Amino acid sequence: GAGVSQSPRYKVAKRGQDVALRCDPISGHVSLFWYQQALGQGPEFLTYFQNEAQLDKSGLPSDRFFAERPEGSVSTLKIQRTQQEDSAVYLCASSIYNEQFFGPGTRLTVL
Amino acid sequence: AQSVTQLGSHVSVSEGALVLLRCNYSSSVPPYLFWYVQYPNQGLQLLLKYTTGATLVKGINGFEAEFKKSETSFHLTKPSAHMSDAAEYFCAVSDLRGNQGGKLIFGQGTELSVKP
Repeated sequence: GAGVSQSPRYKVAKRGQDVALRCDPISGHVSLFWYQQALGQGPEFLTYFQNEAQLDKSGLPSDRFFAERPEGSVSTLKIQRTQQEDSAVYLCASSIYNEQFFGPGTRLTVL
Repeated sequence: AQSVTQLGSHVSVSEGALVLLRCNYSSSVPPYLFWYVQYPNQGLQLLLKYTTGATLVKGINGFEAEFKKSETSFHLTKPSAHMSDAAEYFCAVSDLRGNQGGKLIFGQGTELSVKP
């Protein structure tokens, strides 16, 4: 039984580099969420998709952050010109009914 | 706007003792409430949820929580702690009635330590 998977699990980037984080949701889950979890904090909402439509991107911290889900399944979170404050764990969750299932996260470290 | 406050960033109990993790929420509409557990280097796992109906909800691993509207609380309890319960616990609130798609608003988390 496949859960939500994310890749890579760990990413080290130099400041100014672009990164792309991938999320493979549970098959058939219509809704997909991205969260950012800073060290020692609770996750914070970034963006939400229903199928391929991005219905809420109010949590994206700047225009350097971009997310897509072109075919309504796999999603990619892209961060351009990474900054040190972008260092965090990025969690993806897919949802059915009112329960969200989380992936293991991608730990991004920006040097 | 919705918010969650978890009282106590660190809680330490002895093995076999009662576990009580506190959560208070703020919501302008009837909330959906959740408790998640996070083990090191892992994602979040759902322990239990309250949507409607019975206010005492039972979850996995012997945990339960009671929704108290008058106190705007949703505290998590377990009668007897096990060493394997040591982890980070997050309370979260969601409003599925809006167009937000049920995004979760999390508290800051409570780290539970269990002493032998």
